[in-house]
Amino acid sequence: GNSVTQMEGPVTLSEEAFLTINCTYTATGYPSLFWYVQYPGEGLQLLLKATKADDKGSNKGFEATYRKETTSFHLEKGSVQVSDSAVYFCALRGSSNTGKLIFGQGTTLQVKP
Amino acid sequence: NAGVTQTPKFQVLKTGQSMTLQCAQDMNHEYMSWYRQDPGMGLRLIHYSVGAGITDQGEVPNGYNVSRSTTEDFPLRLLSAAPSQTSVYFCASSSGQGANTGELFFGEGSRLTVL
Repeated sequence: GNSVTQMEGPVTLSEEAFLTINCTYTATGYPSLFWYVQYPGEGLQLLLKATKADDKGSNKGFEATYRKETTSFHLEKGSVQVSDSAVYFCALRGSSNTGKLIFGQGTTLQVKP
Repeated sequence: NAGVTQTPKFQVLKTGQSMTLQCAQDMNHEYMSWYRQDPGMGLRLIHYSVGAGITDQGEVPNGYNVSRSTTEDFPLRLLSAAPSQTSVYFCASSSGQGANTGELFFGEGSRLTVL
């Protein structure tokens, strides 16, 4: 079945450091891929998405490229801020599953001043 | 803008008690779903609905019931709570088009503890 695997956290970085959070997936067909972010005490929010191979999703300085050859969708940001501290979830929607998202386990990011 | 509203935010139950987690959305979304969030396991889909009167099981449906009598509301019922149901529960909704693109709108969550 479909699945998503994220790098384990927590990830602790200093402000302005480069961020990478790895995400790989297993799916049949052509899934859509997503990154969601959960700030403390809140629900999840869509951060970015990519719906086909080689698409790059971007938002708020974050980027991720849909790599079908490596089944990956790694999240990157060139310079993190304290306000980026949150839990980040990689997710996929299978090509035939309307609305049903499969989430990775989440990666906690802590950014220190 | 209310968006997706979940109540209660916190609840403590004893084993065997029943309760209902409420979820309401004011965006006229067709698609609604319930997830549970457990440490190290991400979010797992419990039940979902693609419209009023239509519900289906997700990945972990056992011990939970749902119904969808209106577009706005999608309550989650625990008939006989067990400690394994201690978790944070999230309700999410999406328009039909949004459901096809995976853009879900989440509530703030309901933290349930079963003793």
